[in-house]
Amino acid sequence: EVQLVESGGGLVQPGGSLRLSCAASGFTFSSYAMSWVRQAPGKGLEWVSAISGSAGNTYYADSVKGRFTISRDNSKNTLYLQMNSLRAEDTAVYYCAKDLLHIAVAGIFQHWGQGTLVTVSS
Amino acid sequence: EIVMTQSPATLSVSPGERATLSCRASQSISSNLAWYQQKPGQAPRLLIYDASTRATGIPARFSGSGSGTEFTLTISSLQSEDFAVYYCQQYNNWPSWTFGQGTKVEFK
Repeated sequence: EVQLVESGGGLVQPGGSLRLSCAASGFTFSSYAMSWVRQAPGKGLEWVSAISGSAGNTYYADSVKGRFTISRDNSKNTLYLQMNSLRAEDTAVYYCAKDLLHIAVAGIFQHWGQGTLVTVSS
Repeated sequence: EIVMTQSPATLSVSPGERATLSCRASQSISSNLAWYQQKPGQAPRLLIYDASTRATGIPARFSGSGSGTEFTLTISSLQSEDFAVYYCQQYNNWPSWTFGQGTKVEFK
């Protein structure tokens, strides 16, 4: 059974930093692209960032480009999101999501974690 | 950026009735469209991809159709567990994937 467990969320001041983690199990982690998708309170879904299985390619939404960094450690089956220069509008539940297709970066989110809440406020 | 527009914002349906949800893309996305279901306090769940392919374990009462800019999710006979928010998402404009704002299916 695929399991994705996020951690690292919390309260941070504007301009601060936070690193999210997503521990994966139940599948061959290195064979699948992974993404972060966020959801502001009471709002819809927004794709944030993606990374290929090999970690050779990374992709970002314009809203976070230059501030967020996605990475993965395939030896630890863990996905990360380093978030710097945080703003109030980054407040959201952050989900990690596994891509549907083997090897490809398709952007079809087959499995999701339970999410971790990031609150940016002074 | 491709803008995805869903309608209606809220759909009031009785159990056993058919529900039809619409999603429109601001430009053609071929059949590169997925539908997700989200219940309160839960993560989204993939229902449909490639516009009409049901994901693993999704009941046959869920069906998707459309291509280009117009898409539909149909729930043939609404069950109590189907009351939720539904999102469409395009993955044609790679890798700038975007979601619609959601349609809430509520009990009539």
